[in-house]
Amino acid sequence: SQQGEEDPQALSIQEGENATMNCSYKTSINNLQWYRQNSGRGLVHLILIRSNEREKHSGRLRVTLDTSKKSSSLLITASRAADTASYFCATDASGANSKLTFGKGITLSVRP
Amino acid sequence: SQTIHQWPATLVQPVGSPLSLECTVEGTSNPNLYWYRQAAGRGLQLLFYSVGIGQISSEVPQNLSASRPQDRQFILSSKKLLLSDSGFYLCAWSVHGYYGYTFGSGTRLTVV
Repeated sequence: SQQGEEDPQALSIQEGENATMNCSYKTSINNLQWYRQNSGRGLVHLILIRSNEREKHSGRLRVTLDTSKKSSSLLITASRAADTASYFCATDASGANSKLTFGKGITLSVRP
Repeated sequence: SQTIHQWPATLVQPVGSPLSLECTVEGTSNPNLYWYRQAAGRGLQLLFYSVGIGQISSEVPQNLSASRPQDRQFILSSKKLLLSDSGFYLCAWSVHGYYGYTFGSGTRLTVV
């Protein structure tokens, strides 16, 4: 079963704009992770946020986590055409990093 | 450095034929290993995971099986493929702790 559900399902923006993607989940988690997938390729880990963290930054990425609302957001600032990809949130409920549950993903298109 | 190898990249198999997909990891010891399947336009479904040699957990009843004959080798198999086994299969590894998964490049399986 899928724990995370991303929103929106698809997003199209102009290069230079910010992209905000949301993820909601249903059960308690130990940490939440965001991944990126280019078409036909494997997933690449972007960022991990622990359940006791509220915000985390990595380069142009900013992730927030609200455990009371069971939701997370991924913000990509100053988007580039190369950011075009699918983005997935994944939750780890076990705490042992033994099993991630992925959402269905968001397709981001950045127009040059 | 740690790397993960997954092959083949694409595979076309007739219904009823056997399947063997192999995944190997380099540069780490005692990793957690995973097989995921991704249907077109969908998220990732966890099929199997392993926390050690010979230890396999199955998440979804299906026509597939997995084995871990060596610490850094994970094999996905089927005795007789079904049309519904078509999809994009991804192998991944992780270590215990607050780290993300590392994914292989995937195998596109088409059962005809």
